[in-house]
Order: sequence, then structure tokens, then C-alpha cells
Amino acid sequence: DAGVTQSPTHLIKTRGQQVTLRCSPKSGHDTVSWYQQALGQGPQFIFQYYEEEERQRGNFPDRFSGHQFPNYSSELNVNALLLGDSALYLCASSPDRGHRNTEAFFGQGTRLTVV
Amino acid sequence: GEDVEQSLFLSVREGDSSVINCTYTDSSSTYLYWYKQEPGAGLQLLTYIFSNMDMKQDQRLTVLLNKKDKHLSLRIADTQTGDSAIYFCAETSLNNNDMRFGAGTRLTVKP
Repeated sequence: DAGVTQSPTHLIKTRGQQVTLRCSPKSGHDTVSWYQQALGQGPQFIFQYYEEEERQRGNFPDRFSGHQFPNYSSELNVNALLLGDSALYLCASSPDRGHRNTEAFFGQGTRLTVV
Repeated sequence: GEDVEQSLFLSVREGDSSVINCTYTDSSSTYLYWYKQEPGAGLQLLTYIFSNMDMKQDQRLTVLLNKKDKHLSLRIADTQTGDSAIYFCAETSLNNNDMRFGAGTRLTVKP
């Protein structure tokens, strides 16, 4: 089992551009959450997808959007990039049973640098 | 909003015990977690505790929860150099799907 895989691992973008990050969940998991981890800080919840719909959203602007596909993989899109969007973006997958976060697995993350 | 706070740094000698502390404010927290993050890596779940428990032990790891004071600690016995990493405390509440994290404690283990 490959666990949670994210791509790409590193990315450099220019201010104002758009970016798409990808996540494949662990086998057997159907729920995907995205987190932003700025340097020196803890992860901040962006949103969670289940059954191809956004189930819950954190305190992030509409520039951040997502999608979940029928195979449970997910994308995070960020439009009109700002320098402050530079961070490690983490994807976590979990099964939709019980208290799902106790079975959440995190990917290695995508390091986004906006210049 | 709800906050999770941790001290930023801890340095110990190899073989000693490490104690990492965390406080949280959300009284509806149901699960509390400890994650480990090594350089360039994602988060690894070390252990978690349900809010109706006050202690959980898992090999070298002991978690203590004082729900009245909203205080959580992680004790690592016989700390090794491989334990050097950033440790995050996180919590969730029953009706939310997100985890709220502290800023992390950087543990340095000296030989």
C-alpha cells in the first residue's frame, strides 16, 4: 500500500498564477482533507471532501477550491497566488467511519513557493 | 476561536525522558492527538487519547490528559537521537471534521 501520495513534491509559481496540487488517498479511504502548513507553524485546515462534495471548510478565501473524483483522489486549486500562499500543503485521507480523524494518514506534502 | 498552544523548543540528553506539553481551549474536544514531523516529511500519528481517558501508554510513549485544566502531555521514555523532530498536539470535537493543531514543539536530543 503506497499510503497517501501527493504530487508534485515541490513547486515554484509566480504571484498571480494558479496552481493545482494532487492527492491520492490511502487504499480503503474515501475522505480527503487538505491542510496548509506555513513555515514554523502547525497545519491549518483548508477543507474536507467526501462523496465528491466539500463537507467542511476552514477559514480560507474562495481562491482556494478543490475537487474530489469518483476514485476518491482530490485536487486543491489556488487562484491568484499571493506570496503568503507559500507553504507546505498536506493532504490527509481517512475512512468515513467512526471518528475518522483517528485513522487519518498524511501525505508527504507539496512545498509551494510563490515568488 | 479555539486555540492549541505548545512550547516551541525542548532539548534533552539521550536516554533521558522528554515531556512535551500542550494546552487547548475547546471544552468540546473529544480526541487529542500527538503527531511527529521529521524534516521534509509529512505528519506521522504517534498516538491519540479520547477525552474520557486520563492516561494512555504505548511502549515508550505516555499521554496524560487533564480535562479540567485542558492540558495534554506526551512523555517519551529513554529518548533517542531518532526522536529529534517537531511534535504537534492536535484536537478535534465530535461534530467537526477538522483537526486543530498547535505550532509544534521542536525536540532536540543530544548524544
